[in-house]
Amino acid sequence: SQTIHQWPATLVQPVGSPLSLECTVEGTSNPNLYWYRQAAGRGLQLLFYSVGIGQISSEVPQNLSASRPQDRQFILSSKKLLLSDSGFYLCAWSRQPYEQYFGPGTRLTVT
Amino acid sequence: GDSVTQMEGPVTLSEEAFLTINCTYTATGYPSLFWYVQYPGEGLQLLLKATKADDKGSNKGFEATYRKETTSFHLEKGSVQVSDSAVYFCALSPSNSGYALNFGKGTSLLVTP
Repeated sequence: SQTIHQWPATLVQPVGSPLSLECTVEGTSNPNLYWYRQAAGRGLQLLFYSVGIGQISSEVPQNLSASRPQDRQFILSSKKLLLSDSGFYLCAWSRQPYEQYFGPGTRLTVT
Repeated sequence: GDSVTQMEGPVTLSEEAFLTINCTYTATGYPSLFWYVQYPGEGLQLLLKATKADDKGSNKGFEATYRKETTSFHLEKGSVQVSDSAVYFCALSPSNSGYALNFGKGTSLLVTP
């Protein structure tokens, strides 16, 4: 069966510090991968998606970036965090353009 | 563009009450429709789905029917439990896009004993 991992589970970072969140998927190959952000009391905002190694599409221009160095690894990064980057970050995968399966999430607090 | 609208919460019900969470969509073509559930502090879990008109998705006592004529996909459960307390998201996969799911803003449900 397929599983998706995210780490860290929680993170507290000061404004201006760098960020690296990691997501890995097991039990499938060549998945579509997604990063979403969920701000407090709001819905989900799609940040990036990837259909293959090195292929990243950005949905929202901001100070975040994403990379896919391996087939089942998806990384979300920032060089300098802003207060507005606080939120719950969710990684998801899909094998076809239909349902997506989500990881447990990373709670990021920027102070 | 394609979008979903779901009723605003929070919804508070007593245990064993009937639940309906409304979801309507706007789309060109024939999207697939989904309900996801998010328990506190966790990621989203796929609850049920429907891929064409008149399909009924069901899981864990929850049901939703894809109604093309009313562009709706309302979530229902006959008897809710305290453990159903969560946030519920309606979503669609546009028929002309291979990648994005468009989510509603979520409806918070609280079930009291």
